[in-house]
Amino acid sequence: DIQMTQSPSTLSASVGDRVTITCRASQSISSWLAWYQQKPGKAPKLLIYKASSLDSGVPSRFSGSGFGTEFTLTISSLQPDDFATYYCQHYNTYPWTFGQGTKVEIK
Amino acid sequence: EVQLVESGGGLVQPGGSLRLSCAASGFSFSSYEMTWVRQAPGKGLEWVSYISRSGGTTYYADSVKGRFTISRDNAKTSLDLQMNSLRADDTAVYYCARGGWYFDFWGRGTLVTVSS
Repeated sequence: DIQMTQSPSTLSASVGDRVTITCRASQSISSWLAWYQQKPGKAPKLLIYKASSLDSGVPSRFSGSGFGTEFTLTISSLQPDDFATYYCQHYNTYPWTFGQGTKVEIK
Repeated sequence: EVQLVESGGGLVQPGGSLRLSCAASGFSFSSYEMTWVRQAPGKGLEWVSYISRSGGTTYYADSVKGRFTISRDNAKTSLDLQMNSLRADDTAVYYCARGGWYFDFWGRGTLVTVSS
């Protein structure tokens, strides 16, 4: 199975900060990567698919990049609504797996 | 509006069975692959099972293979997950999600607790 490793596990930041989360795959997954945002008690929400394609309605301050084994999710200017946990997920070969999550906290 | 509503969760003893359902509306259900994803309390997300548009192809995580069965009824726009031989580590919120590769809509989830 392909392992997905996110870093950091927790990130403390302030409103307006530029935030970057990294996701590494244990083997190449081309661009077959998605990013989700999850708030406590809520279902995950798709942000990005195919490594860099923004899902409909997602603010443009979110962006994704990467190919192969290393990927990043960037929030250009952190907003109060962005404090949440973020997960990456590959869909290269079954079974799909998720990263362990990165919690973005208020500094 | 796309809606996915899970039901069927609850408390079950180890070794028991439970059947989860997901009622879909607001989109052409038969045109989409569907997936179940679970999340143990305080933990991350785990992909559980996939089903193709026709229901003819299914995939399972190794952790549930041979115990869980995914199915769908396109006429009733519903997705099911039959869970047998349940174990304590199956305790989780189970989400129904639209899509087979990545998941663009999710239900609110239903909690399954396996405990004696």
